[in-house]
Amino acid sequence: EAGVTQSPTHLIKTRGQQATLRCSPISGHTSVYWYQQALGLGLQFLLWYDEGEERNRGNFPPRFSGRQFPNYSSELNVNALELEDSALYLCASSLLLHGYTFGSGTRLTVV
Amino acid sequence: AQSVSQHNHHVILSEAASLELGCNYSYGGTVNLFWYVQYPGQHLQLLLKYFSGDPLVKGIMVFVAEFIKSKFSFNLRKPSVQWSDTAEYFCAVANTGGFKTIFGAGTRLFVKA
Repeated sequence: EAGVTQSPTHLIKTRGQQATLRCSPISGHTSVYWYQQALGLGLQFLLWYDEGEERNRGNFPPRFSGRQFPNYSSELNVNALELEDSALYLCASSLLLHGYTFGSGTRLTVV
Repeated sequence: AQSVSQHNHHVILSEAASLELGCNYSYGGTVNLFWYVQYPGQHLQLLLKYFSGDPLVKGIMVFVAEFIKSKFSFNLRKPSVQWSDTAEYFCAVANTGGFKTIFGAGTRLFVKA
């Protein structure tokens, strides 16, 4: 069974640019979760998508957005990048109540 | 609001020492509890989970966690650590709807050979 796949692995952007991160969940999982893992801050919940709709979002500004496609893959967009957006962005998928399966993450560096 | 507190950010142990990582959560409703582990260079993976029933949960590699409802705690234990247990450990809490999971800040464990 293929796991959760994320692309790209690394992304370097300039302050003010936009970043697009992609995630493919495990086959059969309809829920996709995005987390930001910044150094020393643990995992901060960003967004939850299920069945193509945004179900919940964490305490992040509106320039963090995303979507889920009919095949349940998902995209995270970060507009107007700031230096503090540099972090590892993790995607996870799940069947409710079973716990998450995480991808390897996208390391975003804003310079 | 839900929150998860992990007591130690860094723990250093010698091989064969016993391990206990503390985790307390703040949430008034019924919760599901998790421990995740991230080994160096690898992605996060589920170590064990508690949904209901026996409050002593056994996970992979001899890890156990005990849910104490009155203390809002879900501490992780292992009787004898190995060098290969060096990793970062995250405690996590989700409401029973599973709508989102809140993670603690993580505890970095380093086991000296």
